[in-house]
Amino acid sequence: DAGVIQSPRHEVTEMGQEVTLRCKPISGHNSLFWYRQTMMRGLELLIYFNNNVPIDDSGMPEDRFSAKMPNASFSTLKIQPSEPRDSAVYFCASSLVGYGYTFGSGTRLTVV
Amino acid sequence: GENVEQHPSTLSVQEGDSAVIKCTYSDSASNYFPWYKQELGKRPQLIIDIRSNVGEKKDQRIAVTLNKTAKHFSLHITETQPEDSAVYFCAASGGSQGNLIFGKGTKLSVKP
Repeated sequence: DAGVIQSPRHEVTEMGQEVTLRCKPISGHNSLFWYRQTMMRGLELLIYFNNNVPIDDSGMPEDRFSAKMPNASFSTLKIQPSEPRDSAVYFCASSLVGYGYTFGSGTRLTVV
Repeated sequence: GENVEQHPSTLSVQEGDSAVIKCTYSDSASNYFPWYKQELGKRPQLIIDIRSNVGEKKDQRIAVTLNKTAKHFSLHITETQPEDSAVYFCAASGGSQGNLIFGKGTKLSVKP
């Protein structure tokens, strides 16, 4: 298995632009998580899905952030409009419920 | 909900010494406790985990202990090597869906 696949690896965008991050979980995993990591705040859980259904989105910073999981093999995290304070590394992770997570390589987002 | 505290936030040891990182959790229903290692610029990776029906687990130079009564668990690294330098995260399963709650991380530096 190729593991959790995220794209793009790096994204540089201007303030106000829409940003879409993509994630393909490990086949057979039924939980998917989006995390944001910064030096100041560490690893923050943004949202997670079980069986494609959003379970907890309380970590989503504000309405500018949205996430979807249209099927078991694909999820997106969208930021519209983006702001400089959104600059961070965004990780997607997947797992079977009750087991450890496998993280993707992350997307390093820079908003200028 | 679950809350995980991790100590220390930074740890510096000489090569060959042992390192111990401690975590406490609040939800007595938590039953799965993984540890992750994150090297600079890379993804967090699962290095060892333990379930609540086991008190100790060992894998070569790393071991994890769990005290359910006191609600704390620890990571032990023996004969540390420079390549052990990384940020280590503990986690505990929490919430009705069993999602992981992460500690803030410990930056371990092993000096040659």
